[in-house]
Parts: sequence; structure tokens; C-alpha cells
Amino acid sequence: EVQLVQSGAEVKKPGESLRISCKGSGYSFTSYWISWVRQMPGKGLEWMGRIDPSDSYTNYSPSFQGHVTISADKSISTAYLQWSSLKASDTAMYYCARRTGTGDAFDIWGQGTMVTVSS
Amino acid sequence: QSVLTQPPSASGTPGQRVTISCSGSSSNIGSNTVNWYQQLPGTAPKLLIYSNNQRPSGVPDRFSGSKSGTSASLAISGLQSEDEADYYCAAWDDSLNGPKFGGGTKLTVL
Repeated sequence: EVQLVQSGAEVKKPGESLRISCKGSGYSFTSYWISWVRQMPGKGLEWMGRIDPSDSYTNYSPSFQGHVTISADKSISTAYLQWSSLKASDTAMYYCARRTGTGDAFDIWGQGTMVTVSS
Repeated sequence: QSVLTQPPSASGTPGQRVTISCSGSSSNIGSNTVNWYQQLPGTAPKLLIYSNNQRPSGVPDRFSGSKSGTSASLAISGLQSEDEADYYCAAWDDSLNGPKFGGGTKLTVL
């Protein structure tokens, strides 16, 4: 079964660092880009950025550039999203998603990782 | 704010046909294909329509998509209670060099 499995929910304080993960299985991990998508409580979907796991090339939405880092370790079929200094406004559900080769669609989604940042 | 504009809500009764619109610009819908996602309460989004009007395996043919110019629409026929969800359109945006999502439409089955 093709799937993306994300790490569990996190509760952090402002200023702390965090890395969440997304592990792919059931397919060739290096053949498909992985994107990260944010969903703030009660809000819509926002694309944050993406990575090509074959060479770790990344591009970011200007809204997130400089605030998060996307990386991948192809040896363990895992992509990461990390923050060096969290803010309360980072409280959200974060999804990883696989880009299909057709039409730039996201055909496989992780189950989501809830990040709560509160003092 | 979202570059792609959707109505915030839509509703229908079981068996009815409903449509959800998605309006964009030349840098996204006007030059790229449109995808639609369904997000049931408390779950991750699911791909519903890709490349304007294609259904992934397992998606009922009650769901259909279309695109014209800088607008697109999702149609759901034979509405069922389990269709109650949030629906998002998305298209690659050449200015962003990434996909843009619509703000989402909450569909209520009355």
C-alpha cells in the first residue's frame, strides 16, 4: 500500500525548535516530490514548499521562506519539516503530500501532524 | 488571502446536484490544470479530481470537474449525506512557482 506516515502530535513553547517527519512506503520515494501543507485551526490549506527527494532540491512559498526548512533522507524514505524558533502562530495541522506525475496533483497525503505552540 | 476564490458554503438535499465554483487568474487556472480535494471532518484531504476532469480510481462518477478560461467548477450529482465535507480547488501558480489552493467550500447536505 502506498502511504505517507507522519510523526505524532507535538506541544512546544515559543522559541523552541522542532522537526516533524513524513515516511513514505509502498513506492519509489525518490520518484515523487513531497510537499508540506499547513492548515491553521478552522482555516484552509496553504502550500509551504516542496522537496525532490532524489537530490533534495527545494522550493518554498514566499510566505514560509526563511521560517521553515524542508529536508529529506532518501536512505530512509523520509521527508522533514523543521523550525528553529517556533511562534504561537505556527499552531496548525501540517500535512505532507506526494505530487503525482499528472497535473501537479497531490495523490497521497499523510495523516497530518498537529503542532501546538503555547507558553 | 487565497488567490483562487471559492464560495465559503454550499448546500443541497439528498439526490440533488450541486456545483462549486473556483475563480482564478491567467497565472494559475488560465495556464495550468485544476485539481479538487475533499476533506471530510477530522481527516486529511483526499484527491477528488485531477487535470480538470479526471477522477482517481475509486472516486464515484457522481463527481465531475470542468474548466473554462480562468474558472473551474466541481459538480456533485446524486448528493449523499457522506458528501458533507470541505472542498478545495487548487492549481499551479506560475508566479508562486507552486500550487495555490482556494479558500475552501463547506458543503452541507440538508
